[in-house]
Formats: sequence, structure tokens, C-alpha cells
Amino acid sequence: GDSVTQMEGPVTLSEEAFLTINCTYTATGYPSLFWYVQYPGEGLQLLLKATKADDKGSNKGFEATYRKETTSFHLEKGSVQVSDSAVYFCALSDAGAGSYQLTFGKGTKLSVIP
Amino acid sequence: EAGVTQSPTHLIKTRGQQVTLRCSPISGHTSVYWYQQALGLGLQFLLWYDEGEERNRGNFPPRFSGRQFPNYSSELNVNALELEDSALYLCASSGESEGNYGYTFGSGTRLTVV
Repeated sequence: GDSVTQMEGPVTLSEEAFLTINCTYTATGYPSLFWYVQYPGEGLQLLLKATKADDKGSNKGFEATYRKETTSFHLEKGSVQVSDSAVYFCALSDAGAGSYQLTFGKGTKLSVIP
Repeated sequence: EAGVTQSPTHLIKTRGQQVTLRCSPISGHTSVYWYQQALGLGLQFLLWYDEGEERNRGNFPPRFSGRQFPNYSSELNVNALELEDSALYLCASSGESEGNYGYTFGSGTRLTVV
């Protein structure tokens, strides 16, 4: 079945540091890929998405590129801020295989210190 | 445009009781998804409803059930509550207008079983 593996946290960075959170996936079809963010005490917010190979999703300075050859969708940001402290989830949906629900990774907690 | 709304936001139940959680999707969205986010276990897929029918179900016991109404709102019912059912229950909706690639989450219902 489908699965998502993302790097274990927690990750602690200083403000303005470079961020990478690794995400790889296994899917039977041709999935769409997502990054969601969860701030403390809140639900999930879509951060960015990509629906086909080589697509780059971007939002709020975050980027991720759909790499079919390496089955990866790593999240990057060039300069993190304290306000980026949250839990980040990589996810996929495999609609082509009839699996419309999202399959999530376990989440990576990011803490950014001033 | 109103987002996905869930009610109640918090509740406390006693082991063995039954609970009903509610979700109203974004207007025009016909699919509703339920997820359980238990501490340390990430996001687990529970149920997917579309056009009033259950389309898929995660690996949960039958005491987790639900339904979708003609207005596309949805209920999640949990019978014979157990302590390990304590979790944040998240609802998401999606629709064909986003090509089923847009999943919007509510803020969740925090269930505590004592």
C-alpha cells in the first residue's frame, strides 16, 4: 500500500537558518504530493502541493519539488523564522489508484529559536 | 467563504460511553474525510464519504462509524469508548472543483476519554 516516510524530529534551528525536511513515498499509482503544517493547538493547513513529476510547489518561502525518479518531495526554506515553528506533515493521495484519502508521514516538529 | 467547521471543539467522555462528532464541509465539496491524530501516532485515516456513501475505511474497529447527509455534512460516531480513543479528530473536505487535489481541514475535535 501507499506510505510516506519523513525525517524524524524534532528539528531545532536558529532564525535565518536553512531548512530541509526529507520526505520519500511509496505509491502504487501516480500520486499527488502535499506538505501540511500544524501550528500548536490548531488543525492542518495546506502549505504546498505538486500533482505531477518535476512540479515545484511553493508558498510562504517554502518549496518542494516532485521527484519521481527518487520518489521524494523534500521541503526546503532558505531562511526560517520563529513563526515557522510548527509540525510539518508530508502526505500523498493516489487518486489514480482509487485512493483519494491522504496518507501522511509521522510529522516533523520544527522549533526555530531567535 | 466558510471553511470546514467541526463541533464540538472539545469534549470529555467516560470509558464505555458513545460520542458523535460533526463536520460541515466547504460549500460545494462533496467528499468528507475523517482522521484520528492520537498523541505520538501521527494522522490515521478513518473514513471517507462521498455523495452520501462510505467509499473507504481505515484500519479501525467497527465501533467507529459515520454517515454523510444529503447536504454533505458528516457525523463520526464512536461507540464503547476506550481510553486510547483520546485524540484530536480531524475532518477534511474536497471537491471536484479542485480536481480532488484540494483537501481543507477543520480545526478538529479534541476528545478525552477518562
